[in-house]
Amino acid sequence: EPEVTQTPSHQVTQMGQEVILRCVPISNHLYFYWYRQILGQKVEFLVSFYNNEISEKSEIFDDQFSVERPDGSNFTLKIRSTKLEDSAMYFCASSPRDPTQPQHFGDGTRLSIL
Amino acid sequence: GESVGLHLPTLSVQEGDNSIINCAYSNSASDYFIWYKQESGKGPQFIIDIRSNMDKRQGQRVTVLLNKTVKHLSLQIAATQPGDSAVYFCAAYRGYSGGYQKVTFGIGTKLQVIP
Repeated sequence: EPEVTQTPSHQVTQMGQEVILRCVPISNHLYFYWYRQILGQKVEFLVSFYNNEISEKSEIFDDQFSVERPDGSNFTLKIRSTKLEDSAMYFCASSPRDPTQPQHFGDGTRLSIL
Repeated sequence: GESVGLHLPTLSVQEGDNSIINCAYSNSASDYFIWYKQESGKGPQFIIDIRSNMDKRQGQRVTVLLNKTVKHLSLQIAATQPGDSAVYFCAAYRGYSGGYQKVTFGIGTKLQVIP
């Protein structure tokens, strides 16, 4: 069964540095998402992406964050000037046709800010 | 604000028994709901969904019940197995005029299956 893959599985970064989290969505999917899950807390929506542009973003997704689909397969989340509170699991997801269809999640990248 | 909450943080059940996990949502405009299973170190895995025009949906060993009057949904797992041990959380989706669904997730209930 096709999977959403995320790399790296664990990223350790010094506070203030930039980090790029990478995702390869399922190949025929059209909608892409990033979510965050701080340890022990609920999953939080960050951003959705469709047709090469952001379709919606949450209040968490401020100017520190950006997303990009640099080629036909990758979907990236960039976090600039990282802060301690950015430490979390970051999940990528994709869905086939429209946002009402179930999303398929990757296994996440654990981001640790030191 | 919007919230989706779970009544019990941890649920322990004997193997073979049925499990019931509950979820309450606050926004009456939510029209699509999903139950996810999250195993340790893994991403959320879709289990079953239900739309607001239904009050019950069944899958393999799982049933979701939706009560829109009290804004409550539940996940029933029949004949619970050790492999069902995980965190389960619900997600409530709300459509916008542009077609995009705004989602709010619950915190999760940890299901522990006792062999």
